[in-house]
Amino acid sequence: DIVMTQSPDSLAVSLGERATINCKSSQSVLYSSNNKNYLAWYQQKPRQPPKLLIYWASTRESGVPDRFSGSGSGTDFTLTISSLQAEDVAVYYCQQYYSTPPTFGPGTKVDIK
Amino acid sequence: EVQLVESGGGLVQPGGSLRLSCAASGFTFSSYWMNWVRQAPGKGLEWVANIKQDGSEKYFVDSVKGRFTISRDNAKNSLYLQMNSLRAEDTAVYYCARSPGGGAARWLDYWGQGTLVTVSS
Repeated sequence: DIVMTQSPDSLAVSLGERATINCKSSQSVLYSSNNKNYLAWYQQKPRQPPKLLIYWASTRESGVPDRFSGSGSGTDFTLTISSLQAEDVAVYYCQQYYSTPPTFGPGTKVDIK
Repeated sequence: EVQLVESGGGLVQPGGSLRLSCAASGFTFSSYWMNWVRQAPGKGLEWVANIKQDGSEKYFVDSVKGRFTISRDNAKNSLYLQMNSLRAEDTAVYYCARSPGGGAARWLDYWGQGTLVTVSS
C-alpha cells in the first residue's frame, strides 16, 4: 500500500496570511501514460464529512474558492491557502488514488493565530 | 442535488454483525463507483471498500477482508455494507462516498453525513 504522510501536523496562521500544507507519498503517484498525478485534497470541518477540494493534484473542484491551490508532482505535493479565512479552520487530508487501496494522509489541522 | 444518506449504525457487541445502508439521490447511481470510508473517533480517514457500477468488481482494505461485504441495488439507488465478526477497532463513523468514473481508485466527490458504529460489550 502507498503510505501518505503530511506536515506539519498542525499550524496556526493569521487571518489573510498564507497557509501551506505538505503531503508526501511513499511512491510516485504520477502515471506516466497520461502525465497525471493521482492525488486529491479534502477539507473536514468539525462534525462534518470531508469535502473534496482538489483532484489530479491541482484541479480545483467546482465551487471551491480560488484561494485554495494544489501543486507538486511524483511524491511531493502542497496545498496552499493563499489568504486564510475564518471559515478555513479545518483538518486537511491528502489522498492518493494511484492504486487500490486508496490511502489518506493523517491530516493537518489549520487554526487561526 | 446529490444526496447520500447512511443508516444502520449502532451499538453492537464484539463478534456481532451490522448492515449499513446508503440511500443515494440526485444523480444516476448506476453510473458511479461507490465507496465506504470510515473514521475512528478523533482519528483520520480510512477507505474501507468500493464497488463498481454493475457490482462486478469489489475491493476491500486488508483489515476487513473476509469479514465485510459490499453490495448495491441500482434499482433502489442503494449501497450496502454487511459487517460481520465486528471488532472494537471497527468502531468508527462510516461514510458512503461517490467516485467519478474511470477506475477503481479515484477521488471522492460527494460524501454522506455518516453513521456511527460502536463495537463494545
